[in-house]
Amino acid sequence: AQSVTQLDSHVSVSEGTPVLLRCNYSSSYSPSLFWYVQHPNKGLQLLLKYTSAATLVKGINGFEAEFKKSETSFHLTKPSAHMSDAAEYFCVVSDRYGGSQGNLIFGKGTKLSVKP
Amino acid sequence: NAGVTQTPKFQVLKTGQSMTLQCAQDMNHEYMSWYRQDPGMGLRLIHYSVGAGITDQGEVPNGYNVSRSTTEDFPLRLLSAAPSQTSVYFCASSYVRGITDTQYFGPGTRLTVL
Repeated sequence: AQSVTQLDSHVSVSEGTPVLLRCNYSSSYSPSLFWYVQHPNKGLQLLLKYTSAATLVKGINGFEAEFKKSETSFHLTKPSAHMSDAAEYFCVVSDRYGGSQGNLIFGKGTKLSVKP
Repeated sequence: NAGVTQTPKFQVLKTGQSMTLQCAQDMNHEYMSWYRQDPGMGLRLIHYSVGAGITDQGEVPNGYNVSRSTTEDFPLRLLSAAPSQTSVYFCASSYVRGITDTQYFGPGTRLTVL
């Protein structure tokens, strides 16, 4: 069975400093992994996804994530935070095979605050 | 393309009432799903459909029914609303039930059950 653990429920950074949002996963099969972002009172937008190609995945708005199988991690990073990055971020896993193939399992979310 | 649309945006129900949350997509997507979002819980899968006439249960299906008579529409029915169903509901769709395929989310319906 798949599961996702987002290690921090809340992260606060200053504008212009790096962002690190941590995510660990477990999966019975080779997983696909995603990061979604949700701005206040909005729907969800895909930031980036890993589907077995390059382990370093680049997404929108300067975000990237690295798939590390040995550590079962998929941490999200950005070199320099912007005020508009303040939002909630969800790490998501999906099995490639099996009865739950394609269904998304969400982590509980990390709220990112950006201070001026 | 309008993408994934959901109606209504907000709804208040009394315990025991029934209602249907509407979801439609105009991208000819085969796979559609419903999630609920509760504070500190992330999103949890309620029901999903891999094509017209085919539905299946997700992680939290109790108290909800779905049907898929057309490719475009995937309504979620609450048969007898309970306060525990107070939540934000999101519908999502993708071209196929594929692990490489991006799922697109609607704007959500905020439901309060008194």
